[in-house]
Amino acid sequence: AQSVTQLGSHVSVSEGALVLLRCNYSSSVPPYLFWYVQYPNQGLQLLLKYTSAATLVKGINGFEAEFKKSETSFHLTKPSAHMSDAAEYFCAVSKGSAGGTSYGKLTFGQGTILTVHP
Amino acid sequence: DAGVIQSPRHEVTEMGQEVTLRCKPISGHDYLFWYRQTMMRGLELLIYFNNNVPIDDSGMPEDRFSAKMPNASFSTLKIQPSEPRDSAVYFCASSGGGRNYGYTFGSGTRLTVV
Repeated sequence: AQSVTQLGSHVSVSEGALVLLRCNYSSSVPPYLFWYVQYPNQGLQLLLKYTSAATLVKGINGFEAEFKKSETSFHLTKPSAHMSDAAEYFCAVSKGSAGGTSYGKLTFGQGTILTVHP
Repeated sequence: DAGVIQSPRHEVTEMGQEVTLRCKPISGHDYLFWYRQTMMRGLELLIYFNNNVPIDDSGMPEDRFSAKMPNASFSTLKIQPSEPRDSAVYFCASSGGGRNYGYTFGSGTRLTVV
């Protein structure tokens, strides 16, 4: 079974500061990992995904995440926060394979609300 | 591509009434998922389909909930009878397989049962 734990339900940063949102996963097989963002009253939007290729994954809006197998982590970072980054962020895991085939459902973490102060 | 289309966006209904939520996935996607989001429980997977076949419905709360996917371009989630505790935002998502895996979510249906 797969699961994810997002450390910190709320993170607050100043505009221009580093954004770091933490995600640790548990998986019995090599995982695929994802970060999604949800703005108020909207659906979830894919930021980036790791599918067993490069361990450093770059996504949209300047975000990136690094897969660290030894730490079972997939933390999301952005060098400089912008007011428009304020949203809720979800880490998710699914089964994956070295052949590039994914299986079934995504399991989501509980989400981290990012607040950006002027 | 218009993305995943859900209807209605908002639904207010009285307890005991039947509610039907609709979803049109992205053309060519062979996975379809129904999720429910609440403040208390976060995102919960209710059911998912692969090539129109239900694969895992273990998240469906009880017999009051049912989901169908009669063809590759349409799915419904039905609640009968509805209860106040069903109030939530219901999301549909679709995905391709293999290297194209990665959900695209619809905008959701906000259901309020009074």
